[in-house]
Amino acid sequence: GAVVSQHPSWVICKSGTSVKIECRSLDFQATTMFWYRQFPKQSLMLMATSNEGSKATYEQGVEKDKFLINHASLTLSTLTVTSAHPEDSSFYICSALKDRTSGNTIYFGEGSWLTVV
Amino acid sequence: DAKTTQPTSMDCAEGRAANLPCNHSTISGNEYVYWYRQIHSQGPQYIIHGLKNNETNEMASLIITEDRKSSTLILPHATLRDTAVYYCINSLRDDKIIFGKGTRLHILP
Repeated sequence: GAVVSQHPSWVICKSGTSVKIECRSLDFQATTMFWYRQFPKQSLMLMATSNEGSKATYEQGVEKDKFLINHASLTLSTLTVTSAHPEDSSFYICSALKDRTSGNTIYFGEGSWLTVV
Repeated sequence: DAKTTQPTSMDCAEGRAANLPCNHSTISGNEYVYWYRQIHSQGPQYIIHGLKNNETNEMASLIITEDRKSSTLILPHATLRDTAVYYCINSLRDDKIIFGKGTRLHILP
């Protein structure tokens, strides 16, 4: 199946700093990628839809100035958590939409653990 | 908001078939039924999806009722590695995936 990779797998940062998480589609081009956040023992919450070459579409309640999304190429989307606080500590997951005529089209990355201290 | 209803948790003996139900009474005509699972601390894994007909692949079978208001995911021979949270999702093809709370499946040795 298609492969979506995230980097880093885990990161620890200090409060007030910014941290960038990358999402790459390794063997296909993805005009659309999605970013999720997951707190312990909770389900995945969709944060935003990332579109190559255009602005991301954020879900209600997600601060676009705090969670900066850039989708500059067909294989890479980045999520930057700006001025991170401990409450931003979470598991961040991306997925990528693969254009196909049949079969599954959305593939998920392995996730990135963010701990803000 | 998720539009599907699933039991919070289920147990299944190793080697037996695991049957996971899902209710989606408000599914629209062009929405698919998708199943994903998430093993602890990993990204979701695609299992299977269908529109009207029953589907089978190397991982599972999907049985969709004729009125499409409910479905069942069947893992034919459950193993300990199938312990995970299973999500049933209604979505348009190529559209964003909105996750509900899913079913926590425990495979018992």
